Amino acid sequence: SQKIEQNSEALNIQEGKTATLTCNYTNYSPAYLQWYRQDPGRGPVFLLLIRENEKEKRKERLKVTFDTTLKQSLFHITASQPADSATYLCALDRASGGSARQLTFGSGTQLTVLP
Amino acid sequence: DAGITQSPRHKVTETGTPVTLRCHQTENHRYMYWYRQDPGHGLRLIHYSYGVKDTDKGEVSDGYSVSRSKTEDFLLTLESATSSQTSVYFCAISGGAPGQGQTYEQYFGPGTRLTVT
Repeated sequence: SQKIEQNSEALNIQEGKTATLTCNYTNYSPAYLQWYRQDPGRGPVFLLLIRENEKEKRKERLKVTFDTTLKQSLFHITASQPADSATYLCALDRASGGSARQLTFGSGTQLTVLP
Repeated sequence: DAGITQSPRHKVTETGTPVTLRCHQTENHRYMYWYRQDPGHGLRLIHYSYGVKDTDKGEVSDGYSVSRSKTEDFLLTLESATSSQTSVYFCAISGGAPGQGQTYEQYFGPGTRLTVT
């Protein structure tokens, strides 16, 4: 079965530094990989999607890389701020019945940005 | 929360009772999903729908059934609730409206916290 591992359950960094989160997967070749942010008591919020033929995607202070050979995605937040503190989830994406998308989620990395 | 509501937001029920959770969207997205989220397991897909009356099983569908009689509503039913179904349940939508280009990101509702005693 598909397995997704996010490198650590918790990551603490100092404000202004770059946070790097890792997502590794096995037994699967996703067409897309997605990253979400989840705050306590809330539903996940979509951040970025990267396709299998894309190496890198950027959005403001966020950058995602996707290495299908290593079966790994890296998620970077540059110039991190305390407001970036949240749990970040990676999800593998594949088409399902009727072209719906099935997402398989990792268990998340809880990021804390210290002021 | 992208025009998605879930009801109820909190529920406590007893083992063996039936429970129905409702997801309502105002975005006219084609696809709807039910997930459960538990510590140590992350989000796991229960069932999904790719159209009115079209549904399929996800990773953890045992003990759950779903129905979608209208585009905007997706119901999740626990026929006979068990303590192992204590969890936070999230509904999600994706795909965009028919006639628009398909989108792949999912938009999640606020969640329902269900406790089975």
